[in-house]
Amino acid sequence: GQNIDQPTEMTATEGAIVQINCTYQTSGFNGLFWYQQHAGEAPTFLSYNVLDGLEEKGRFSSFLSRSKGYSYLPLKELQMKDSASYLCAVREAAGGYQKVTFGTGTKLQVIP
Amino acid sequence: DTGVSQNPRHKITKRGQNVTFRCDPISEHNRLYWYRQTLGQGPEFLTYFQNEAQLEKSRLLSDRFSAERPKGSFSTLEIQRTEQGDSAMYLCASSYRQGHNGYTFGSGTRLTVV
Repeated sequence: GQNIDQPTEMTATEGAIVQINCTYQTSGFNGLFWYQQHAGEAPTFLSYNVLDGLEEKGRFSSFLSRSKGYSYLPLKELQMKDSASYLCAVREAAGGYQKVTFGTGTKLQVIP
Repeated sequence: DTGVSQNPRHKITKRGQNVTFRCDPISEHNRLYWYRQTLGQGPEFLTYFQNEAQLEKSRLLSDRFSAERPKGSFSTLEIQRTEQGDSAMYLCASSYRQGHNGYTFGSGTRLTVV
């Protein structure tokens, strides 16, 4: 099984930098995803990490430390449209099927 | 390709009625997933298909729930004898193998059981 923890809510100012953290516990780690979900809409894929380190991808890079069971999503130059929930999801090898489990998400509010 | 399509977008039903949702995945994607999401929570895994084979079912999926993917194309999720606790957003997603690009989600079907 898996246990994924994220802060419930965060608030940041337009133009600033914010870091959304995710910690997880799993027995068969095989990748970590970040998704963005605006209210009332479907999640959209942001980034994927399977190796340690920073995966650079424009404003939506992501960092992973497998030994610490930790990932973070650094959001730069925040825009009002970045107000959304950010979901951390962990893929776990479970027999022939690699199951993806989502955290409860971090609701980010960007203020002027 | 227009992405993952789900119908209907909204469904209001009386407790005890049966409902069926449809998902049309991206045509090249052989893997299809159903998730359920309630307010303030992340998506919870329900079931997974590879082509037409249903390979995994969550313990959340009681015997009132059944899913099919005939011919490995579209999928249906049926809930029999709906209960108020079934009220949620039902999300379908598809992917090609277990790639690095994550899942592509549909817009979901919002079910309200009254």
